[in-house]
Amino acid sequence: EADIYQTPRYLVIGTGKKITLECSQTMGHDKMYWYQQDPGMELHLIHYSYGVNSTEKGDLSSESTVSRIRTEHFPLTLESARPSHTSQYLCASTTGGQNEQFFGPGTRLTVL
Amino acid sequence: QKEVEQNSGPLSVPEGAIASLNCTYSDRGSQSFFWYRQYSGKSPELIMSIYSNGDKEDGRFTAQLNKASQYVSLLIRDSQPSDSATYLCAHPGNTPLVFGKGTRLSVIA
Repeated sequence: EADIYQTPRYLVIGTGKKITLECSQTMGHDKMYWYQQDPGMELHLIHYSYGVNSTEKGDLSSESTVSRIRTEHFPLTLESARPSHTSQYLCASTTGGQNEQFFGPGTRLTVL
Repeated sequence: QKEVEQNSGPLSVPEGAIASLNCTYSDRGSQSFFWYRQYSGKSPELIMSIYSNGDKEDGRFTAQLNKASQYVSLLIRDSQPSDSATYLCAHPGNTPLVFGKGTRLSVIA
């Protein structure tokens, strides 16, 4: 089982603030992902990375950016938060062989 | 577009019954499938992986893969109220995982 950590778990912030959502994993997985999910709705992939210095945009257009400077760390940044960014953000990583994907506990973001 | 289709539900079953969740997919090259369970407000949890045609059993859960029909299912025997959740199927495609929209299961006590 993968150990994936996300901080903060809950964040309430005002419009226009810059925020960074942290995600780290201790399994040495190369592949990491960020999803956005509204309550009762489907998962939307917003960013992914297949290794250090590799980042790609996902299926859902997002104003966020990501970086992958270390294998274990995949932070997501919003330069200027807006109420439309209110959602749950889920980080995940994937094992190398069977592509089993494990999720972190999520960050619930509320932008006022 | 490599898609995964699921009935959104809700699927309601009485406690103790068998719940049957189904998923169809478009990518004939898919070799493996995953079932995730997601409780309201929580992140998805991997509960079953299946890599070959046929059945795979794990406790009360059985995953069935039929590559010829491009169909994968999850059976939950002796359903419990604690099984009430949304169940997502997914396959690797060319990675990232392609997820279905999920089926909401409600087990009625």
